[in-house]
Amino acid sequence: DIQMTQSPSSVSASVGDRVIITCRASQGISSWLAWYQQKPGKAPKFLIYAASSLQSGVPSRFSGSGSGTDFTLTISSLQPEDFATYSCQQADSLPLTFGGGTTVEIK
Amino acid sequence: QVQLQESGPGLVKPSQTLSLTCTVSGGSISSSSYYWSWIRQPAGKGLEWIGRIYSSGNTNYNPSLKSRVTISVDTSKNQFSLRLSSVTAADTAVYYCARGHYSDSGGYVFDYWGQGTLVTVSS
Repeated sequence: DIQMTQSPSSVSASVGDRVIITCRASQGISSWLAWYQQKPGKAPKFLIYAASSLQSGVPSRFSGSGSGTDFTLTISSLQPEDFATYSCQQADSLPLTFGGGTTVEIK
Repeated sequence: QVQLQESGPGLVKPSQTLSLTCTVSGGSISSSSYYWSWIRQPAGKGLEWIGRIYSSGNTNYNPSLKSRVTISVDTSKNQFSLRLSSVTAADTAVYYCARGHYSDSGGYVFDYWGQGTLVTVSS
């Protein structure tokens, strides 16, 4: 199985801050990485596919980068609605696996 | 807009079988473009993919759960279901259903999810 490791596990930030979340795969997955946003009691939301492509309707303040084993999710200017948990997922091979999640908290 | 909704008991006794159903609205479960998955998340932990089914009935399961998992589909009701046998406290989690699709550029991703249902395994 491909192991996905995210860091940090949590980050405290203020509205307007730039936030960077990293995700590392235990083996190369090319650009086959997705990102999701989770809020308590809500359905997870699909944000990014192919490491850097924004899903339709996702604000442009979200961006993704990376390939191979190292990836990042950047929120350029944190908005109140962005406080949530973000998870990466390798989209390369079965079993599909996720990172442990990064919670973005209000500072 | 595609919507998915999980349903089923919130409490299951140890050694029994957990059964959940996901009802899909706003789209047909019979589309060959998609697969339908179950994913779970224990409290404070990451997401774990359980398995998937295509409308044809073809399935793939996570090897870590394969011996206990069955996923089935009922296209007439636009539903798919999960059965997890011989449950223990370690199976306590929020269970999500999700729609997935494959693309040459993006691989296997999940574009729509249910809001999840908490299943507690306890006597």
